[in-house]
Amino acid sequence: AQTVTQSQPEMSVQEAETVTLSCTYDTSENNYYLFWYKQPPSRQMILVIRQEAYKQQNATENRFSVNFQKAAKSFSLKISDSQLGDTAMYFCANEVDSGYALNFGKGTSLLVTP
Amino acid sequence: DTGVSQNPRHKITKRGQNVTFRCDPISEHNRLYWYRQTLGQGPEFLTYFQNEAQLEKSRLLSDRFSAERPKGSFSTLEIQRTEQGDSAMYLCASSFPSQGRGTDTQYFGPGTRLTVL
Repeated sequence: AQTVTQSQPEMSVQEAETVTLSCTYDTSENNYYLFWYKQPPSRQMILVIRQEAYKQQNATENRFSVNFQKAAKSFSLKISDSQLGDTAMYFCANEVDSGYALNFGKGTSLLVTP
Repeated sequence: DTGVSQNPRHKITKRGQNVTFRCDPISEHNRLYWYRQTLGQGPEFLTYFQNEAQLEKSRLLSDRFSAERPKGSFSTLEIQRTEQGDSAMYLCASSFPSQGRGTDTQYFGPGTRLTVL
């Protein structure tokens, strides 16, 4: 069975600091996509960043970047210059092998403090 | 139209009753997904449509669950004979196919929170 594991249920970071959220995954595919989604309190889930497995270069979106280690099946998210609005649940996800659906981890609750 | 909408946002029902949720995807998005999210967990995939065709169903989708997307636009998810274990947030997402599998960005709705008493 596919699994996505987020080993940090909760994390806290001060405003303007950098934080890294961990994720490991399992897949039988060779080419696949990985995603980080953000779910703010009482708001809907939005895509933060995605990575294509065949690309060597780590994806970057403004203050968000990933460290993708394909051999280790590791996909961590780094948030630089943390802002109060980054407070949210963060979910790591990969594709279900059989199709287009996503397989999510249990999430990491990130609190950004002043 | 600025996003995926879901109705109702909250539903409280008694065990054994039937409930139906509606999802309106972003217009021109031909892919639509249903997920279930319980407290402290990530979303779990239930089913997926491309246009009006239901192409995938998770083993989580028991016989009491049925989903439709009759005209390839909005979708409904019905749960018959609800059980307390059905209490969860039901999320809908839609996407527009780009270059193939895995490249779509899924846009999520706000969800319908179901409480079964």
